[in-house]
Amino acid sequence: KQEVTQIPAALSVPEGENLVLNCSFTDSAIYNLQWFRQDPGKGLTSLLLIQSSQREQTSGRLNASLDKSSGRSTLYIAASQPGDSATYLCAVRGGSQGNLIFGKGTKLSVKP
Amino acid sequence: DAGVIQSPRHEVTEMGQEVTLRCKPISGHDYLFWYRQTMMRGLELLIYFNNNVPIDDSGMPEDRFSAKMPNASFSTLKIQPSEPRDSAVYFCASSLRAVHSPLHFGNGTRLTVT
Repeated sequence: KQEVTQIPAALSVPEGENLVLNCSFTDSAIYNLQWFRQDPGKGLTSLLLIQSSQREQTSGRLNASLDKSSGRSTLYIAASQPGDSATYLCAVRGGSQGNLIFGKGTKLSVKP
Repeated sequence: DAGVIQSPRHEVTEMGQEVTLRCKPISGHDYLFWYRQTMMRGLELLIYFNNNVPIDDSGMPEDRFSAKMPNASFSTLKIQPSEPRDSAVYFCASSLRAVHSPLHFGNGTRLTVT
């Protein structure tokens, strides 16, 4: 059974710092991995989607990497801003086409 | 593009009552998912549809839960009778070609059962 773990559960950094969020999964047989952002009281916003054949994806100040063999992904945020404060979740899609398994997220706080 | 639209945003009901949650997926998306989010268990997939047909409902917790998708632009999740432990945020999401496409989520329905 696929399990997704995100460490740390919470992170607080000063504005301007570069940071890395971690995601690990137990079953490397995945179709893709997706990073989401969730603001309080809101739904999830898709940030980056990495297919199993890819190593990384970039969007603006965000870079996500995928090492399928070791069951790890990282989300790198450059030059963090207070507006980046949110909960970040990773999710993997495995053998069942609809079965997107989520981690419990990392709550990020960027202090001005 | 209006995104995935869910209603109501908040629902407060008494134990034993029927609750119906509604979702309008993004036009053209042929996959629709219902998720539930709680502090203890995080996000859990309840059921998903492809072209209006339920594909996997193994996440539906009990017979009290049912979901329908009568057409490509509308889905409902019904709980009857509701119980306090059903209190959670229920999300609807849609996508094109599930395996390779990102999921787009609605803003959720916060359900409180007293």
